[in-house]
Amino acid sequence: QKEVEQNSGPLSVPEGAIASLNCTYSDRGSQSFFWYRQYSGKSPELIMFIYSNGDKEDGRFTAQLNKASQYVSLLIRDSQPSDSATYLCAVNSGYSTLTFGKGTMLLVSP
Amino acid sequence: DAEITQSPRHKITETGRQVTLACHQTWNHNNMFWYRQDLGHGLRLIHYSYGVQDTNKGEVSDGYSVSRSNTEDLPLTLESAASSQTSVYFCASSDGGGGKETQYFGPGTRLLVL
Repeated sequence: QKEVEQNSGPLSVPEGAIASLNCTYSDRGSQSFFWYRQYSGKSPELIMFIYSNGDKEDGRFTAQLNKASQYVSLLIRDSQPSDSATYLCAVNSGYSTLTFGKGTMLLVSP
Repeated sequence: DAEITQSPRHKITETGRQVTLACHQTWNHNNMFWYRQDLGHGLRLIHYSYGVQDTNKGEVSDGYSVSRSNTEDLPLTLESAASSQTSVYFCASSDGGGGKETQYFGPGTRLLVL
């Protein structure tokens, strides 16, 4: 069983701080990694994807991948109250399917 | 604009009834997926399809079935609804293959089985 683990949180950070969200995965052969954001009562929406070791930046978001440690993270700089949501880590688990973690709830306080 | 829709958005049914949830996408994507989302379990894959006439079982397929007769639609059927199938159901689609495709999600269907 391929597993994706995330701390359920909530992770509480003040406005303007850096939020760090972490994810580990069990399948060493996984090649693609995705971060989705899900607001309460809404559907998941893609924030970022990363395929290669290292960092990938998009605006206030940075995804970090370390395949040797089977670890992927998402950093949110200058966190805003509108970033308060649940963040889902997803890992490619075979051809085009994804295995999702249970998500980490982020709370950004004004 | 291309989109993915689900209907109904909310459904209440009784134990033992057959229920069908609709999913329709206008992205012309080959791949379509059904997930359920429950507190404490996250998103779990029920069934998926890589094209017309293709269907595959996911992690939690017992009690569910799908059929793919065209590119746009992948209806999910609960053969005999059970209270354990009370959940939020999401349909998703993606294009291509190889695992680097983004999955786009529909708005979800909240199902309550009494």
